[in-house]
Amino acid sequence: EAGVAQSPRYKIIEKRQSVAFWCNPISGHATLYWYQQILGQGPKLLIQFQNNGVVDDSQLPKDRFSAERLKGVDSTLKIQPAKLEDSAVYLCASSRGGAKTNEQFFGPGTRLTVL
Amino acid sequence: AQSVTQPDIHITVSEGASLELRCNYSYGATPYLFWYVQSPGQGLQLLLKYFSGDTLVQGIKGFEAEFKRSQSSFNLRKPSVHWSDAAEYFCAVVYNTNAGKSTFGDGTTLTVKP
Repeated sequence: EAGVAQSPRYKIIEKRQSVAFWCNPISGHATLYWYQQILGQGPKLLIQFQNNGVVDDSQLPKDRFSAERLKGVDSTLKIQPAKLEDSAVYLCASSRGGAKTNEQFFGPGTRLTVL
Repeated sequence: AQSVTQPDIHITVSEGASLELRCNYSYGATPYLFWYVQSPGQGLQLLLKYFSGDTLVQGIKGFEAEFKRSQSSFNLRKPSVHWSDAAEYFCAVVYNTNAGKSTFGDGTTLTVKP
């Protein structure tokens, strides 16, 4: 089966600009996650979707970050405006259903550099 | 708040030597524990997971981990390391009391000497 797809793989922007990332999960996976991984740290969950509903967005900086998952399949994560501290790898993951024990499958990530 | 600690930022071992990577989690309700590996430029791949039952779990690529509730630990082991094991390793925990939110440690980078 095809894995989790993400694009772009790399993005360089200047602060105060906006940027969007796209994720296509594994077919049939109901749960989709966006993580932020800052250099030297583990992934931090930004938002979790179950189908097209939000399960957890407690760590999403809602003043500048937004995410949507229309039709319960693809998802986009947007940052507007970007700050220097947003430089990180943004990982998308998906899993079957919503059980806590379900394995998450990760995409290759998008490396964002904010200058 | 739940937390995961990986005390070793960087470990270097010789090829063929044994390996143990440490992971400690904050005490809480029943934890579900995971180990992931991340190679440069790649996403994370699941090595193994523990939910219940036998506290020694086997994973892919010859890895195993042991859950010790008394020590709040879930250490990853491999009896003989291969050069291809060089990567970053992350421990993660999900508690049964929330909606399945994963908390990751900050990772341990493994270097393998020839």
